[in-house]
Amino acid sequence: AAGVIQSPRHLIKEKRETATLKCYPIPRHDTVYWYQQGPGQDPQFLISFYEKMQSDKGSIPDRFSAQQFSDYHSELNMSSLELGDSALYFCASSSKTYNSPLHFGNGTRLTVT
Amino acid sequence: GENVGLHLPTLSVQEGDNSIINCAYSNSASDYFIWYKQESGKGPQFIIDIRSNMDKRQGQRVTVLLNKTVKHLSLQIAATQPGDSAVYFCAENMAGAGSYQLTFGKGTKLSVIP
Repeated sequence: AAGVIQSPRHLIKEKRETATLKCYPIPRHDTVYWYQQGPGQDPQFLISFYEKMQSDKGSIPDRFSAQQFSDYHSELNMSSLELGDSALYFCASSSKTYNSPLHFGNGTRLTVT
Repeated sequence: GENVGLHLPTLSVQEGDNSIINCAYSNSASDYFIWYKQESGKGPQFIIDIRSNMDKRQGQRVTVLLNKTVKHLSLQIAATQPGDSAVYFCAENMAGAGSYQLTFGKGTKLSVIP
């Protein structure tokens, strides 16, 4: 079965640079979520989108922004990167229409040097 | 805010034995709970979920028990296998059906001894 696809899998950036992470949800899923997981930590909710509109906002820094496109894929844009942004970034998707559980991708590991 | 927590950070079990992973939650408004398994380098993998109107739900080799009186959640894995070795997270949700602002617990590492 198709899963949530994230790209890239690994990304290395320097401080103050920008990064863009991409997420392709499971087909027919209408809702996308972004989570951040620091080393040894549990995932923290950042932001979510439903039908291309921002749905909920969690602990997302003002330096980050995200959007969901007409094909339902989503991008997380991160600017002025800091060392503390180094983490695993997970995208997850679900279907509100079919009330499906939340399924996660395998994440993008961002390292800021 | 209120958090979901775990009683045991690590758990070692013999292959073939049953495993029980526990989780305490503090928000009585939570209405949906999920257990995830996370292997190294991978995203959380959905195992089983339960809604607050149930106290037990069974899957393949897994059972989730919910005790709302004491705000306790457990995951039982029958006949634990080496492939079950991973970090297990419980997560709670309060945002209503279909919307997931999950609050994760801190994770329990399950190690299966062959």
